[in-house]
Amino acid sequence: DVKVTQSSRYLVKRTGEKVFLECVQDMDHENMFWYRQDPGLGLRLIYFSYDVKMKEKGDIPEGYSVSREKKERFSLILESASTNQTSMYLCASSFTWEQTTYEQYFGPGTRLTVT
Amino acid sequence: DAKTTQPPSMDCAEGRAANLPCNHSTISGNEYVYWYRQIHSQGPQYIIHGLKNNETNEMASLIITEDRKSSTLILPHATLRDTAVYYCIAAIRDDKIIFGKGTRLHILP
Repeated sequence: DVKVTQSSRYLVKRTGEKVFLECVQDMDHENMFWYRQDPGLGLRLIYFSYDVKMKEKGDIPEGYSVSREKKERFSLILESASTNQTSMYLCASSFTWEQTTYEQYFGPGTRLTVT
Repeated sequence: DAKTTQPPSMDCAEGRAANLPCNHSTISGNEYVYWYRQIHSQGPQYIIHGLKNNETNEMASLIITEDRKSSTLILPHATLRDTAVYYCIAAIRDDKIIFGKGTRLHILP
């Protein structure tokens, strides 16, 4: 079974802190994604990556950055956390084969609270 | 990517077939229809996808109308564990899927 793990299920940080959310997948997937999920707004794509050291902005990249130094690991960084970044953060991965991208596998999520 | 429209909520009796509709009237010829679901406190889970033909797997069946403007996800024998939010997505490739608000399915004992 594909496994996508996230470093924490719950996290509480203070305004202005630098926050690292880690995601690891064990299926050698090329593609990795970070979403946030808020009530009434659904899932929104923050950043994604097609390969090591590659990154692409999603729909709401402001206030976030990412790092992908190894294929299995994709980190989301909040440079200076703010209260409006309180949310559920979900990581996902998928593979591409013969130009086709297959279904995304999601991690359990990290519920981040910024106070 | 095509916009999809789903009812906000539905009820289904346990053991019955749950039929979840989705309208995607602006879908283009190369866009697939994907279905995901999200059980409370978990990440979304892929269910099924299709382009033109009906599809079936161990979880569900997907019926796509001939004009491709709408589709129905069928859970043949719903159980309480199928209570979740179900998302219908139309996208060219799965790597840029956009989740809408989905349908909250309640399975009633």
